[in-house]
Amino acid sequence: HLQLHESGPGLLKPSETLSLTCSVSGADISSNTYYWGWIRQPPGKGLEWIGSVYYSGWTDYSPSLKSRVTISTDTSKSQFSLKVKSVTAADTAVYYCVKHEFYGCPVHWGQGALVTVSS
Amino acid sequence: DIVMTQSPDSLAVSVGETATINCRSSQSVLYTSNDKDYLGWFQQKAGQPPKLLLHSASTRDSGVPDRFSGSGSGTNFTLTISSLQAEDVAVYYCQQYYTPPYTFGQGTKLEIK
Repeated sequence: HLQLHESGPGLLKPSETLSLTCSVSGADISSNTYYWGWIRQPPGKGLEWIGSVYYSGWTDYSPSLKSRVTISTDTSKSQFSLKVKSVTAADTAVYYCVKHEFYGCPVHWGQGALVTVSS
Repeated sequence: DIVMTQSPDSLAVSVGETATINCRSSQSVLYTSNDKDYLGWFQQKAGQPPKLLLHSASTRDSGVPDRFSGSGSGTNFTLTISSLQAEDVAVYYCQQYYTPPYTFGQGTKLEIK
């Protein structure tokens, strides 16, 4: 049974770096069948794709966030992570980690982690 | 970027009736080499993560009731919820995964009349 679980600090100050980890159980994170990603949702608003990492290590990022975002995998721990540099209040959101299937559809979602940026 | 536009923004439908939500993409999301539309529909209930209902525009994910159906191809898509039940109250999103950035529609809020 696949499970995705986000973890990391819930409160940051402006200019700090957001770091979240997604722990994966029930699937092989190094498999070439799937890839993994992050999607966020500001409170009361819609969904925004942040980026994805493929089994080869290749990454794709949203152009609007590309300069500040890094997604990486740690196959030894069955985890993948998200870093967002220089956060502002606009980065306040629930961050979801996802598993892509069917040529890229985010099929499985974690429960989400709320990250608040406030001074 | 491919812009996804949903209509309406909200709708209220009586229990037992049919709800229809539309999604339009600014360019085709049909991958001609395999004849699949790279379009998904998601349901998000209050306080929960989104849940995949349909992928490839019309293929129900495992365990999704057959009251949920999808149609369309290219740039115009429809989610139809037949025999609406109270538990279907949610926000519904379409998403294209044809090309990054994988963009979502703005969401359609479905309520019971």
